[in-house]
Amino acid sequence: GAVVSQHPSWVICKSGTSVKIECRSLDFQATTMFWYRQFPKQSLMLMATSNEGSKATYEQGVEKDKFLINHASLTLSTLTVTSAHPEDSSFYICSARALGPKKPQHFGDGTRLSIL
Amino acid sequence: DAKTTQPTSMDCAEGRAANLPCNHSTISGNEYVYWYRQIHSQGPQYIIHGLKNNETNEMASLIITEDRKSSTLILPHATLRDTAVYYCIALDQTGANNLFFGTGTRLTVIP
Repeated sequence: GAVVSQHPSWVICKSGTSVKIECRSLDFQATTMFWYRQFPKQSLMLMATSNEGSKATYEQGVEKDKFLINHASLTLSTLTVTSAHPEDSSFYICSARALGPKKPQHFGDGTRLSIL
Repeated sequence: DAKTTQPTSMDCAEGRAANLPCNHSTISGNEYVYWYRQIHSQGPQYIIHGLKNNETNEMASLIITEDRKSSTLILPHATLRDTAVYYCIALDQTGANNLFFGTGTRLTVIP
């Protein structure tokens, strides 16, 4: 149980393109989903917290107009990197937390984004 | 959330127990200790969590000292597939529930 699916697993696109990444909780409902970014040989950095039916909360330094987050249902959150540039190339990882107290977060397998 | 400190790296022989320490001396009473691991180019995998009692599941055991200032994750019989970066995180369950990842311990299981 507690499977989080992330799609696509990798994407290569031209500079200026917008890229959408999907995060789905397959066998549980998640009121809260999280988006992280990880650069090579570094740890995960939280970008934003996504709550179903409300606006995402962004961490300091993360541009909300650059990284659009939508959490339309209890099983789906999307991250759109708008007008992507090479410096946006990174490993993007989502996680979801099941309803109920003391439930751990479960992570997707990440999306490797390469902007040419 | 309390800061945790872990050794940068450790080696373990295949088949032996891997004991990964974590210090969280400033942990508060309502903060749980969570362990995750990240195998190269994958998302983090949840391992185990606990508050003050020792915990065991099919993956590992978590031993928390009585004063809760440190803990040890034990992989009883390490395999090559356990090679990963292991993260110890103290998290307040009454708060925003964000996981902040430190640098973790890179465990290398040696044949």
